[in-house]
Amino acid sequence: ESVLTQSPATLSLSPGDRATLSCRASERVTSYLAWYQQKPGQAPRLLIYDASNRATGIPARFSASGSGTDFTLTISSLEPEDFAVYFCQQRRGWPPVYTFGQGTKLEIK
Amino acid sequence: QVQLQESGPGLVKPSETLSLTCTVSGGSFTGNYWNWIRQPPGKRLEWIGYIYFSGTTNYNPSLGSRVSISLDMSRNQFSLKLSSVTAADTALYYCARLPSRESPFDFWGQGSMVVVSP
Repeated sequence: ESVLTQSPATLSLSPGDRATLSCRASERVTSYLAWYQQKPGQAPRLLIYDASNRATGIPARFSASGSGTDFTLTISSLEPEDFAVYFCQQRRGWPPVYTFGQGTKLEIK
Repeated sequence: QVQLQESGPGLVKPSETLSLTCTVSGGSFTGNYWNWIRQPPGKRLEWIGYIYFSGTTNYNPSLGSRVSISLDMSRNQFSLKLSSVTAADTALYYCARLPSRESPFDFWGQGSMVVVSP
């Protein structure tokens, strides 16, 4: 089973800083990789799909890249509302099975 | 804007069947895949399965034959049943939409906590 491993587990930064989050797959992933933001008590929010495409309404400070087994989510200049948990997600096989990374908590330093 | 809302008992006894319902509003049931996803405390999200609007289902093999998802289009609802539950099934259960099997989960509910305990 392909496993997604995110790093770091926790990232402590200040507003205005640049955040770089990593998601590594144990097996090669197609371009189907998504990133989500999760805040306490709220529904997860889709940020990125197909590895690098921003979802509707997502600010331009969010960008993502990667292919194969290594993927990155970058937040260029952190806003106070960006402090949350971020997780990645892939689709594998047919019929598909969907799996998730364990998450990176982005906290205020 | 599509909205999803989970509902159901927050406490289930071991060996019994967990039942949850997701009510969908603001969008069409047709053409989409309707999913259940869960997150045990301190663990990663786990996809449980989906049902297509036609009734076709696909479940995570890790859950075996314990899981069943059904839909009621007349009520804009789909439901999860998970049988023979144990403490390991204690989790925050989400419903979510896939516009296609190749797409990401674009809309999620806020989640419903279910605790398995005597």
